[in-house]
Amino acid sequence: QKEVEQNSGPLSVPEGAIASLNCTYSDRGSQSFFWYRQYSGKSPELIMSIYSNGDKEDGRFTAQLNKASQYVSLLIRDSQPSDSATYLCAVILNSGGYQKVTFGIGTKLQVIP
Amino acid sequence: ETGVTQTPRHLVMGMTNKKSLKCEQHLGHNAMYWYKQSAKKPLELMFVYSLEERVENNSVPSRFSPECPNSSHLFLHLHTLQPEDSALYLCASSRSSGGYNEQFFGPGTRLTVL
Repeated sequence: QKEVEQNSGPLSVPEGAIASLNCTYSDRGSQSFFWYRQYSGKSPELIMSIYSNGDKEDGRFTAQLNKASQYVSLLIRDSQPSDSATYLCAVILNSGGYQKVTFGIGTKLQVIP
Repeated sequence: ETGVTQTPRHLVMGMTNKKSLKCEQHLGHNAMYWYKQSAKKPLELMFVYSLEERVENNSVPSRFSPECPNSSHLFLHLHTLQPEDSALYLCASSRSSGGYNEQFFGPGTRLTVL
């Protein structure tokens, strides 16, 4: 079983719609969760972090975490063509005094004008 | 310069060459990381340094040799690589290696091994 699972996509949504990106993880001890955005040919950049169950909103982005279901998601409201990128889910486990970071394969999002 | 910088941005090398990748962070962070990103694979953590001390070596072949002379600089020395080592190599840094600290990534070095 993969440690962090994401559908690689592509996920296509029309401009203005809500894009829903999902991620599941296998280690119940995981403690923090990040969503990174990676444009083609560029390095990942952090867009959201979430540490406790529930929703966390930042502008058009909402991260949702359900530790019981080992599930984390990212919603992008009013999707724009500039949101087209690959979204990486990262799961953090503190192990031996340092962060063990495991990334998913990433979901490619295409926002159609 | 700000953030995390990496040089070179592109590198083509033969299997018998020796080369080094360089990473520098200007954020005052204490932890630095090397990742490998291959097509159709998740980002793979290779090495973690905390306060210049290696704290993790994620079963990486010995043909990759990291060096962290101080908390601002990180190197990845390469020798006798294989074509399957061709990938994007990303450096990242964070305030510390523990806790829940955001990692900031450099632009990466695109490596091609012939």
